[in-house]
Amino acid sequence: GNSVTQMEGPVTLSEEAFLTINCTYTATGYPSLFWYVQYPGEGLQLLLKATKADDKGSNKGFEATYRKETTSFHLEKGSVQVSDSAVYFCALSDLSRGSNYKLTFGKGTLLTVNP
Amino acid sequence: EAQVTQNPRYLITVTGKKLTVTCSQNMNHEYMSWYRQDPGLGLRQIYYSMNVEVTDKGDVPEGYKVSRKEKRNFPLILESPSPNQTSLYFCASSLSLHAETQYFGPGTRLLVL
Repeated sequence: GNSVTQMEGPVTLSEEAFLTINCTYTATGYPSLFWYVQYPGEGLQLLLKATKADDKGSNKGFEATYRKETTSFHLEKGSVQVSDSAVYFCALSDLSRGSNYKLTFGKGTLLTVNP
Repeated sequence: EAQVTQNPRYLITVTGKKLTVTCSQNMNHEYMSWYRQDPGLGLRQIYYSMNVEVTDKGDVPEGYKVSRKEKRNFPLILESPSPNQTSLYFCASSLSLHAETQYFGPGTRLLVL
């Protein structure tokens, strides 16, 4: 079946530091890949997505590249801010034969950015 | 404003007392689903619905029921809640599934005593 593995953290950084959150996946077909963010006390919201190999998703200074050869979709940001403190979830959707109609999520990575 | 709403936001109940958590979306989305979020386990899908009257089990359906009589509503029913259903629940919707953004509700925190 499909699965997503991401570094669990927690990750603590100082403001303006470089961020990487690793995400790798297994899927039977050609999945779409997503990063969702959950701010404290809120629901999840889409941060960025990529729908095919070598696509780069980007938003709010975050970016991630769909790497089929390494089955990865690592999240990066060059300079984090205190307001980026949140839980980040990597996810995939896969409509190939035999897959469920769902998003498969990683377990989430808590990021705390200190001033 | 496009949104997914859930009610109630917080609920404390006792074992065995039937409850319903409502979910409504105003975006005319076909696909809706319910997830539960637990520490160390991330989000797990409970049920999903591809359209009106079309529902199916997700990864953790035991102890839950759903219905989809109207496109906009997708209530989650716990017929006889147990303490292991204490969790944070999210409803989500999207135009379809693949490659589409899912929009999440604000969550319902449930405590079953």
